[in-house]
Amino acid sequence: DIQMTQSPSTLSASVGDRVTITCRAIQSISSWLAWYQQKPGKAPKLLIYKASSLENGVPSRFSGSGSGTEFTLTISSLQPDDFATYYCQQYNSYPYTFGQGTKLEIK
Amino acid sequence: QVQLQQGGAGLLKPSETLSLTCAIYGGSFSGYFWTWIRQPPGKGPEWLGEITHSGRTKYNPSLKSRVTISIDTSTNQFSLKLSSVTAADTAVYYCARGPPTSSYGSYYYYMDVWGKGTTVTVSS
Repeated sequence: DIQMTQSPSTLSASVGDRVTITCRAIQSISSWLAWYQQKPGKAPKLLIYKASSLENGVPSRFSGSGSGTEFTLTISSLQPDDFATYYCQQYNSYPYTFGQGTKLEIK
Repeated sequence: QVQLQQGGAGLLKPSETLSLTCAIYGGSFSGYFWTWIRQPPGKGPEWLGEITHSGRTKYNPSLKSRVTISIDTSTNQFSLKLSSVTAADTAVYYCARGPPTSSYGSYYYYMDVWGKGTTVTVSS
């Protein structure tokens, strides 16, 4: 299985801040990486696919980059609705695997 | 707009079989991968397996032979069965849609539409 490691596990930030979450794969996954946002009691919501493609309807303050083994999710200017947990997921090879999550908290 | 509606029992005893369904509304059944994912309390999601419109399946080896995913094209539903459950199977179970991308003869997909989730608790 391809292990996905996110950092940090918890991130404290303020509205208006620029934040970056990192996701590392134990082996190359090309660009087959997705990012999801999850709020308590809700299903994950797709934000980014193929490392850097923005899902329809997702605000442009979200962006993704990277390829191979290192990827980042950046939120350019945090809004109150962005405080949630974020997961990366590789879909390069089976079984598909997720990171352990990054909880974005209000400072 | 496609919606996935989940159904099934949420409280099981050890050794019983978990059985969940996912009905697809407002969208095409063909041309996608249909998946099951679970999320134990406080943990990240875990991909359980997939099925295509033609009924081809692939499962997470971690579940060994306990998992079965099936499809009913006449009712636009697919199902998950997980046998011999234990407390370790306690989780929120989600169904999701995977739009495929073809590259060099292989298919890759992320999950773009999710059901709302079913909380499954295994307890004696």
